[in-house]
Amino acid sequence: SAVISQKPSRDICQRGTSLTIQCQVDSQVTMMFWYRQQPGQSLTLIATANQGSEATYESGFVIDKFPISRPNLTFSTLTVSNMSPEDSSIYLCSATDRGDSYEQYFGPGTRLTVT
Amino acid sequence: AQRVTQPEKLLSVFKGAPVELKCNYSYSGSPELFWYVQYSRQRLQLLLRHISRESIKGFTADLNKGETSFHLKKPFAQEEDSAMYYCALRRPNFNKFYFGSGTKLNVKP
Repeated sequence: SAVISQKPSRDICQRGTSLTIQCQVDSQVTMMFWYRQQPGQSLTLIATANQGSEATYESGFVIDKFPISRPNLTFSTLTVSNMSPEDSSIYLCSATDRGDSYEQYFGPGTRLTVT
Repeated sequence: AQRVTQPEKLLSVFKGAPVELKCNYSYSGSPELFWYVQYSRQRLQLLLRHISRESIKGFTADLNKGETSFHLKKPFAQEEDSAMYYCALRRPNFNKFYFGSGTKLNVKP
């Protein structure tokens, strides 16, 4: 299994600014993912964070808005750029480890409010 | 494209009653289906997956390819089962998960 932590746990940001969310895993993992969970809605996959290469984005999400880094096998960041109130959401980091690729382990989430 | 549908946002049952949380999916291939659960103030965690065909905490789920469904069932609900339940689909060999909108299960005493 893998234990995932995220920082910050919550933040309130002003329109037009950017926020970087950090995701730390306590063991090396093969794949890391970023999701968005808007109020009352499902988890929506933003992108897959690939170690050593650019992230792979899902339809509707672009690198300029959500740049992602993954410098090693235990860490990733997601930046929400030029924020607007529509970006208010919970952002979740998840990972699959080498042994159990069918199971995703989730972080506690980062609750972002944009004013 | 793949899609996971959970038609019920909220399901309330009394303790000891049977419970069924519905999940339907659309996918052209042979997907892998999962149920994830999020208890209050806890993080999302795996409950069960269709491949293992196991019972976890009394819950079972059968993949019905004809009806493209993966409903979660428990014969006798307990108060500690109260949580958000998400059905998820994974495309084989892609390692990407697609989640339904979730069903909040409320088990009343």
